[in-house]
Amino acid sequence: AQTVTQSQPEMSVQEAETVTLSCTYDTSESDYYLFWYKQPPSRQMILVIRQEAYKQQNATENRFSVNFQKAAKSFSLKISDSQLGDAAMYFCAYRSAGTGNQFYFGTGTSLTVIP
Amino acid sequence: EPEVTQTPSHQVTQMGQEVILRCVPISNHLYFYWYRQILGQKVEFLVSFYNNEISEKSEIFDDQFSVERPDGSNFTLKIRSTKLEDSAMYFCASSDTDSWLYEQYFGPGTRLTVT
Repeated sequence: AQTVTQSQPEMSVQEAETVTLSCTYDTSESDYYLFWYKQPPSRQMILVIRQEAYKQQNATENRFSVNFQKAAKSFSLKISDSQLGDAAMYFCAYRSAGTGNQFYFGTGTSLTVIP
Repeated sequence: EPEVTQTPSHQVTQMGQEVILRCVPISNHLYFYWYRQILGQKVEFLVSFYNNEISEKSEIFDDQFSVERPDGSNFTLKIRSTKLEDSAMYFCASSDTDSWLYEQYFGPGTRLTVT
C-alpha cells in the first residue's frame, strides 16, 4: 500500500514570508496524482493544489507552488507571501491513477502564521 | 458554493452502542466516501460508494461498519457496536466523478468519542 509521510507536525511563518511544507511518499506505481489539502480550524478540507506524476513541470496556484521530485518521491508545498488566512492544517495526499479512487493522506502539518 | 455537511459535529457514545454518522454530499455528486482520522494519526480511507453500492473498502471497514444512502440526499455511516478504538474524526467526502481531475469535497467531520 502507498504511504504518505509529513515529517513536520507543526510549522510557523511570519506574515508575508515564505514557508515550505514537506511531504514524501512511497509507491511502486509510475502513474499517480498528488494533492495538498488545507483544513482551516473547524472547517472542511479544501483542495489547494494538485500534481500529475507524469508531468515534470511543477504545479502552481497563485501563491502556492509545489516542488515535485519524482525520483526522490518528494512533494513539498511552498506558500509565498504568507497571509493570516493561510493558517490551517495542511494534508498531503496520494491517489493512484489506476483502479481505485481513494486518497492516502499524511498526518498533516499545522501551520501558524505570525502577524 | 455548495458544501458537504455532516451531523453531528461531536458524538459521544458508550462502548457497545450503535452510532450513525450523517452526511449530506453535494447534490449533483455521484461518488461518496468515508474517511477517519484517529487523533495524531493519518486520515484513513474507509469506504467509497457509487450507484447505491460499495465500490471499494479498506480493511478497517469490517462487519461492524455499514453505509447507506437512504434517500436522495443523505449518506450515512453506521457503526453497530462501537469500540474504544473507534474514537476518531470521521470525514465524509463526495465527488462528481471517479476521475482524478475532480477533487473530493470534504465535510467538516464528526468527532466520535467512545467511552
